[in-house]
Amino acid sequence: AQTVTQSQPEMSVQEAETVTLSCTYDTSESNYYLFWYKQPPSRQMILVIRQEAYKQQNATENRFSVNFQKAAKSFSLKISDSQLGDTAMYFCALYNAGNNRKLIWGLGTSLAVNP
Amino acid sequence: DARVTQTPRHKVTEMGQEVTMRCQPILGHNTVFWYRQTMMQGLELLAYFRNRAPLDDSGMPKDRFSAEMPDATLATLKIQPSEPRDSAVYFCASGQGVDPGNTIYFGEGSWLTVV
Repeated sequence: AQTVTQSQPEMSVQEAETVTLSCTYDTSESNYYLFWYKQPPSRQMILVIRQEAYKQQNATENRFSVNFQKAAKSFSLKISDSQLGDTAMYFCALYNAGNNRKLIWGLGTSLAVNP
Repeated sequence: DARVTQTPRHKVTEMGQEVTMRCQPILGHNTVFWYRQTMMQGLELLAYFRNRAPLDDSGMPKDRFSAEMPDATLATLKIQPSEPRDSAVYFCASGQGVDPGNTIYFGEGSWLTVV
C-alpha cells in the first residue's frame, strides 16, 4: 500500500526563522514523484515544490527546499526566512508513475508564522 | 495567466436537492481530477479523467455522485440527492498527462453546504 504520513499536525515559527515540516512515505514503485502543496486560508491549493525520485539533488524554490532521503523514504520541507504569508496548511503528496497513477496525500501540517 | 476555473464558488442547498459543480480545466490539459476535502477525511480523490475518459472513480459514492466530461473544456460533478454529509470543499484540478509526474493545478474550490 502507498501511504504518506505527516506526523506534525500543527507547527508554529517566528517570522524570519526557519522551520522544517516532515513527511514520510511508503511505496513499492521505483518511479515516483513527491510534492509539497500549500493551502492558505483561501483554501486554494498551490504547488510549492516537486521532486523526482530519480534525481538525487534536492529541489529548491526560493526560500523553500526539500531534504529528500530516498532510502529512508523521507521528504521534509524547509522554509527559510519565514514570512507571515507562509501561514497555511502544507500537504505532502506522492505520485506513482506505475499503473495506479494518482496522488496519495498526507493529512497536512498547519503552519502558523507569528510576528 | 492560465488557471482552473470552478463554479459555483459557494453553494448552500437543502438536503435532497441536486447540486452540480463545474470545472474548466486549463486549456491543453488532458487530465482532470475531482477532490473532496473535509476536516475529518482530509483530501479524497473522487474521480479522474484522462482525455475525457474516466480512469478512476472508485472514491466516489456511486449511488448519488456522478462525474462527466461533456467536452475537453468542461468537467462536471453532480450530487443527487445531496445530504448534509456531502458538505465539503470540492476541488477540481487539471494536468498534462504526458509526463506522469507533471504538476497538477488546482482550482479555488467549490464550498458546498447542505442543510
